Parts: sequence; structure tokens; C-alpha cells
Amino acid sequence: QKEVEQNSGPLSVPEGAIASLNCTYSDRGSQSFFWYRQYSGKSPELIMSIYSNGDKEDGRFTAQLNKASQYVSLLIRDSQPSDSATYLCAVSRGYQKVTFGIGTKLQVIP
Amino acid sequence: EAGVTQFPSHSVIEKGQTVTLRCDPISGHDNLYWYRRVMGKEIKFLLHFVKESKQDESGMPNNRFLAERTGGTYSTLKVQPAELEDSGVYFCASSPQGRGLQETQYFGPGTRLLVL
Repeated sequence: QKEVEQNSGPLSVPEGAIASLNCTYSDRGSQSFFWYRQYSGKSPELIMSIYSNGDKEDGRFTAQLNKASQYVSLLIRDSQPSDSATYLCAVSRGYQKVTFGIGTKLQVIP
Repeated sequence: EAGVTQFPSHSVIEKGQTVTLRCDPISGHDNLYWYRRVMGKEIKFLLHFVKESKQDESGMPNNRFLAERTGGTYSTLKVQPAELEDSGVYFCASSPQGRGLQETQYFGPGTRLLVL
């Protein structure tokens, strides 16, 4: 079992739709949860972090965390073609190493 | 504020040669991390420095890899001798000196290593 599980996609959504990205993790000691966006050939860029159960909203992005289910999700509202990228789910126990999922490739179709 | 920088951006070497990668963290960041992404796989942790000390090197694949962080500033990762399976993208990340939960790691652009 992988430590962080994501569907590698691609996930295709039409422009303006909501994109829903999901991941599960195995380490119950995880306390910090991240979504990174990575464009092809570029470095991961942090877009959302969440540390407690519930929802966290930042602009068009909403991260959701359910520690009991060991589940993290990212919703992107009003998806734009510029959102097309690979989205990496990542977890850590704080300032320690970050464990990444394989990433979900998102394609927003104009 | 300058971000994390890495040098070189690309390196192509032959099997058996030595390569040294360099990472300059964000100024003032005590935590420095090395990660590697092999094609088709997840980004994997290699090691973590706190200042000049190795905090966690559990991800280092074998003794052909040597990481240093002289004076707690920049870090180097040397691969000697390089093997074909060492090919991938090597990322460096840094975070501030805190040890709290909400430590964000900022990633550098990566070094793309190809071993032929």
C-alpha cells in the first residue's frame, strides 16, 4: 500500500466546471496536509495547506480534510485552462519530511 | 526574497562518473530537504538537514549518495559513482527554523539528472 494514494488521471473537466481531486493517506500520525501544483517541467508549488478537519477555502480552491477517514480532497471551482497541471497530494508530521502521492493530472478543456 | 535555487538545472553524465548537485535554500531557512522524482514514480524524500546537521537521512538510497551542508547554508548532493537508476529530477526544499506543524516547504526548480 502506498503511503499517499492518488488517481493519476488524467481528470478532464470543461472550463468553468468544478474539478474534484482526492487522496487518501496511510500514516495516522500525519498532521499537515498539502496540495501542490506542478506544471510540466517545473517545481511543485504549494497552493493549499490544511491542518485540521473540515474545509479551508482560498479563492477558487477548497481543501477538505477528514482525519478519521484519512482522506484529503481539493476542489477547484470555475476551472480555467491555466489550472491544467498535475496536482500532488502530500502529507507530513510537521516539520519533517513530506510524503507525496503520484499526482493527478488535471486537464481543463476550453 | 530569492527562492530556493539549484545548480545545475540539467546534467547528463555517463555511468560511473561523479556528479555534484548544489542547493541554496531561502536565506535564514534552517531546514533543508532533498527529494528525488524518478520517472513515473512519486517524489521521494532523501534527507533532511537542520542547519548543518543531518536530521533524517532515511531516504538515501545507498552509500553512493553523499550530502553535506557546510556551515548550515548551501548543500551539496554528490552521487559517486552514478548508476543508470539514479536518473531523475532532484529537488531541494527549505523551510524556516520552526518545528511547528505549519511549516511550509518551498521547493527549488530541480536538477534533471540523466545517467547514460
